Amino acid sequence: GAGVSQTPSNKVTEKGKYVELRCDPISGHTALYWYRQSLGQGPEFLIYFQGTGAADDSGLPNDRFFAVRPEGSVSTLKIQRTERGDSAVYLCASSKQGASTDTQYFGPGTRLTVL
Amino acid sequence: GNSVTQMEGPVTLSEEAFLTINCTYTATGYPSLFWYVQYPGEGLQLLLKATKADDKGSNKGFEATYRKETTSFHLEKGSVQVSDSAVYFCALSRETSGSRLTFGEGTQLTVNP
Repeated sequence: GAGVSQTPSNKVTEKGKYVELRCDPISGHTALYWYRQSLGQGPEFLIYFQGTGAADDSGLPNDRFFAVRPEGSVSTLKIQRTERGDSAVYLCASSKQGASTDTQYFGPGTRLTVL
Repeated sequence: GNSVTQMEGPVTLSEEAFLTINCTYTATGYPSLFWYVQYPGEGLQLLLKATKADDKGSNKGFEATYRKETTSFHLEKGSVQVSDSAVYFCALSRETSGSRLTFGEGTQLTVNP
């Protein structure tokens, strides 16, 4: 079946602009995660959704970052007033139920470049 | 808090060599442990996992055993191939941390023919 998809694959924007990154999880997966990966580093957790609600948003770096999942499927990560330090690969993952033993399936990522 | 420490890389081996990538963790309780792999130009994918102490995860000739006493989950393969060249990430997940994954920094493996 289809895996996790993310769009766009690449996004170049100017400092101060607003961007939206989209994630389409595996059908039927209730848990959805966003991570951010900088060059040469492991992914870092941003936010976790269980269904439509954000169960844990403690990884969001500041209030410029916001994410939604209104119908419990597709999620959008929104970044306001982008800064050069936001440049990274943004990864989305989904799992069946969000248990710690569940496998998380990752999308290919969106590479965000802020000029 | 939770953390994962991987051996420093990069690691370069010849084909058919034995591979060990060390991984140790810090976490209270009993986390689940994972190895993810990122092949060139591809996304992160699960290689293997172990969800309780003394469990052994295995896949594609790779193995790792969950050692609670040494808080380790070292990755091993008896004979590497050129196609194993990739970045390997050790990670943990705990129910009380919302099941988020905490990753190590990754180890770049290059296997030469």
